[in-house]
Amino acid sequence: NAGVTQTPKFQVLKTGQSMTLQCAQDMNHEYMSWYRQDPGMGLRLIHYSVGAGITDQGEVPNGYNVSRSTTEDFPLRLLSAAPSQTSVYFCASSYPGAVGELFFGEGSRLTVL
Amino acid sequence: GNSVTQMEGPVTLSEEAFLTINCTYTATGYPSLFWYVQYPGEGLQLLLKATKADDKGSNKGFEATYRKETTSFHLEKGSVQVSDSAVYFCARRLTGGGNKLTFGTGTQLKVEL
Repeated sequence: NAGVTQTPKFQVLKTGQSMTLQCAQDMNHEYMSWYRQDPGMGLRLIHYSVGAGITDQGEVPNGYNVSRSTTEDFPLRLLSAAPSQTSVYFCASSYPGAVGELFFGEGSRLTVL
Repeated sequence: GNSVTQMEGPVTLSEEAFLTINCTYTATGYPSLFWYVQYPGEGLQLLLKATKADDKGSNKGFEATYRKETTSFHLEKGSVQVSDSAVYFCARRLTGGGNKLTFGTGTQLKVEL
């Protein structure tokens, strides 16, 4: 009964460090996406994928890379972390027939010092 | 543009009070509309949706009607409970594939005894 699993749940980085936020889903969903949640701004789409090998940019892609080598996994990479990337990150998955119904992970809280 | 505007919180109500959280959207055409709820420490989960004009979405005592004349999708509940305390997000579906959504800024609801 795992659903969407994100790791780590908490992370503190120094400016310039790199890291990867992991996201895995066990529901065989074709669609996966990453959002960031900031106070007063709601959730904003970073990157999304409609299937293995296919990714595209969302609203705020700068500073983030993604890849989708398998249906299950959709990691989010920060190559050189900046304080502006301090946020809570949510991974979500869905399938084509479920109009707008996203299944979210529990979130990863990232602090960049 | 593709924006969703919802009333600012926090909203504090007594148990059994009536709840309204306003949401309006801008769009070309008639996008599918959603309300998501986020309980403390958790990811978002779909509360209800409406996929075309005049549709009413409902779940767990919450309702929202898709009104194209006023481009609104207000969330209502006749009698709130302490367990309804959460952050509520209005969202609309974006065009293109991938089940992409754009979210409002969220409204925090606190229900007290």
